[in-house]
Amino acid sequence: DIVLTQSPGTLSLSPGERATLSCRASQSVSSSYLAWYQQRPGQAPRLLIYGASSRATGIPDRFRGSGSGTDFTLTINKLEPEDFAVYYCHQYFTSPWTFGQGTKVEIK
Amino acid sequence: EVQLVQSGAEVIKPGESLKISCKGSGYSFSSYWIGWVRQMPGKGLEWMGIIYPGDSDTKYSPSFQGQVTISADKSISTAYLQWSSLKASDTAVYYCATGGYCSGGSCYHFFDYWGQGTLVTVSS
Repeated sequence: DIVLTQSPGTLSLSPGERATLSCRASQSVSSSYLAWYQQRPGQAPRLLIYGASSRATGIPDRFRGSGSGTDFTLTINKLEPEDFAVYYCHQYFTSPWTFGQGTKVEIK
Repeated sequence: EVQLVQSGAEVIKPGESLKISCKGSGYSFSSYWIGWVRQMPGKGLEWMGIIYPGDSDTKYSPSFQGQVTISADKSISTAYLQWSSLKASDTAVYYCATGGYCSGGSCYHFFDYWGQGTLVTVSS
């Protein structure tokens, strides 16, 4: 199985700051097969990024995905209050598809 | 509008069986893989398995193989997740999800659309 390790576990930032979230895969993942989701408390996850860097419909351009191989990054520029949530990366390259353990972005 | 509507919350005793559902609408249900994701209380997302309703081809995570059964009835656009004997450790929210696309002979199965989740509580 491909293990996705996200870091840091928790990121404490203030509104307006930039968040940089990392997702490292235990083996190479084609960049076409890496997604990021946001989950707010009590809600279902929401797709942010697919194909490592393509924003899903309706996702603001302050969300940017990048990376290739085993290292992927989600950058959130100028954090808005609604961005404080948990973020998960997801690989759909090799079955079983897997999720990272999540990074919580909290208000400092 | 694509929608996945899941069945309601369940409170079940250990050892009992259960089948929860996920009804799709607003898209061609038979043509998109639909997956199930577990989220235990206060924990992250776990990919359980996925089914292609068109031919019922199913893939399971090794962690869930033999523990659950995923099925679908394309005639009523509904996918199912079932257990034959629940344990307290099965207490969780279970989400169904679908989406992605195929292009140039390759398919990309990320999850655009999610159900609202079904809370399953296993307690005596």
